[in-house]
Amino acid sequence: KAGVTQTPRYLIKTRGQQVTLSCSPISGHRSVSWYQQTPGQGLQFLFEYFSETQRNKGNFPGRFSGRQFSNSRSEMNVSTLELGDSALYLCASSSLTGGAIYNEQFFGPGTRLTVL
Amino acid sequence: QKEVEQNSGPLSVPEGAIASLNCTYSDRGSQSFFWYRQYSGKSPELIMFIYSNGDKEDGRFTAQLNKASQYVSLLIRDSQPSDSATYLCAVRGAGNNRKLIWGLGTSLAVNP
Repeated sequence: KAGVTQTPRYLIKTRGQQVTLSCSPISGHRSVSWYQQTPGQGLQFLFEYFSETQRNKGNFPGRFSGRQFSNSRSEMNVSTLELGDSALYLCASSSLTGGAIYNEQFFGPGTRLTVL
Repeated sequence: QKEVEQNSGPLSVPEGAIASLNCTYSDRGSQSFFWYRQYSGKSPELIMFIYSNGDKEDGRFTAQLNKASQYVSLLIRDSQPSDSATYLCAVRGAGNNRKLIWGLGTSLAVNP
């Protein structure tokens, strides 16, 4: 079974631009979560989508948005980029089977975003 | 604010020793607990999960859960230099949304 894929793997943007990152979950997984990871800050939760609906949202400004399509693929968008947005953006998928309490997340390789 | 706390380390152990990584959590209703390993520059990969009190073993790894003390640990037996990484603890809370809360990770260095 193919793992979680993310595109692009690397991205360089300048302040004020906007960026769209893409994530394809493991086949059959309907939940996609997005995280930002920077040195010293750990994994910061952005949002979680399940069946095209946002289930959870972290404490990020409205410049960060996301969506999920009917095939479970997800995109996240960051508008008006700031220097502090430079980070590794990770996508994780989960089956979220009803009634199962473990539902582990599987991560993609991430997109390394550099804002100049 | 529900929290998951880990000692940032670095934890340094000699090759062949047992490495013990600890994690405490604040939400008493938490239901499931995960350990991930993250090598530098790579994404986290799942080592194991546990949801019942007691021990769960998988090869050289043992997860221990004590819900009364709100404490989960990961033991790595016969540590190898390839185990050198950051270990992340994640806790899934109770409720319909069951949000996953992450610790900041413990850096482990296994010295040959």
